Amino acid sequence: DVKVTQSSRYLVKRTGEKVFLECVQDMDHENMFWYRQDPGLGLRLIYFSYDVKMKEKGDIPEGYSVSREKKERFSLILESASTNQTSMYLCASSLWQGSGDTQYFGPGTRLTVL
Amino acid sequence: GENVEQHPSTLSVQEGDSAVIKCTYSDSASNYFPWYKQELGKRPQLIIDIRSNVGEKKDQRIAVTLNKTAKHFSLHITETQPEDSAVYFCAAKEAGTASKLTFGTGTRLQVTL
Repeated sequence: DVKVTQSSRYLVKRTGEKVFLECVQDMDHENMFWYRQDPGLGLRLIYFSYDVKMKEKGDIPEGYSVSREKKERFSLILESASTNQTSMYLCASSLWQGSGDTQYFGPGTRLTVL
Repeated sequence: GENVEQHPSTLSVQEGDSAVIKCTYSDSASNYFPWYKQELGKRPQLIIDIRSNVGEKKDQRIAVTLNKTAKHFSLHITETQPEDSAVYFCAAKEAGTASKLTFGTGTRLQVTL
């Protein structure tokens, strides 16, 4: 069974703080993704990575950065958190294109920025 | 890039009735169309998917149809049950991208007794 875990289920931070969200998968997947989920807006892709140290911008990368130093771990960084980054953040992973496209999601981190 | 529109945003059906959720996509090169189900407080999970070389796929009470010409695809749930109540997301994958999916905005399905 694929397991995708995220470092926190709930997180409360203050405006201007640097925030790290971590995601770990145990199935040797090449691809990893960060989404944010907001009511009425669905799942919007922030960044994704198809290999160690590789990253690609998604649809809403502004205000975020990512790091992938190891294959199993993908971190989302909010350099200076703002209240409009209050959201549910979901991580996902999948095998390389051609081997299967199913994305497996983590449980999510609900981030509140005060 | 790809744009996916999903309708309706909410859907209420009586137990035993059928439910249909529709999505349209913009990029004719997209070649993979999954549907995810997210129960309250849970993570999204794949329930069915279809590739562009297939027009219909069925798995027990759920089915997906794809019309490439019109660039739309639909999820059909028959004999709905209370446990079908959830938010459903459609998505489309652009050809040549590393499994990058563009999601619709979701449909909240409520199955009433």
